[in-house]
Amino acid sequence: QKEVEQNSGPLSVPEGAIASLNCTYSDRGSQSFFWYRQYSGKSPELIMFIYSNGDKEDGRFTAQLNKASQYVSLLIRDSQPSDSATYLCAVKANQAGTALIFGKGTTLSVSS
Amino acid sequence: DTGVSQDPRHKITKRGQNVTFRCDPISEHNRLYWYRQTLGQGPEFLTYFQNEAQLEKSRLLSDRFSAERPKGSFSTLEIQRTEQGDSAMYLCASSLRSESAEAFFGQGTRLTVV
Repeated sequence: QKEVEQNSGPLSVPEGAIASLNCTYSDRGSQSFFWYRQYSGKSPELIMFIYSNGDKEDGRFTAQLNKASQYVSLLIRDSQPSDSATYLCAVKANQAGTALIFGKGTTLSVSS
Repeated sequence: DTGVSQDPRHKITKRGQNVTFRCDPISEHNRLYWYRQTLGQGPEFLTYFQNEAQLEKSRLLSDRFSAERPKGSFSTLEIQRTEQGDSAMYLCASSLRSESAEAFFGQGTRLTVV
């Protein structure tokens, strides 16, 4: 079982819709969860992080954690064409010290 | 520019040659990470440093890979006897020492082994 798993997509949504991205993780002891966005040819940039104690909302983005099922989700409301990118889920896994372990990413395409 | 800086941005080398990449982290960051990313995949963790100490290196891909951070500032990643399968983007990231600390990435070094 991979440490962090994501559906590679592509996930296609129309402009203005809600995009829902998910990932699952294997280390039950993980405490910190991160969502990065990566445009083609660019390096990843952080969108949000959450601790194991709750969900978080920031503008159009909401990150949710389900510890019992070991998955993390990212909701993007009012999706815009500029949101088209690959979204990487990352987890601080105890077996890697404090390094972030990434999933393979989900490609999101928002059509206008 | 106070972001993470990587050099070179691109490197083309012949199979069997050694290559070395440099990463300059954000100045106040004491943690530094190296990742490899291939097309269609997420960044794959290789190793990380806290100050000059290399705290995790079991994920380096083979004994041809090594990394140093001699004075706790910049870091180098060396690949010896390169193979075509080493062709990838090598990303460096740095962060503060905190559970919530965001890791900031450099622009990466794209390696092509011919």
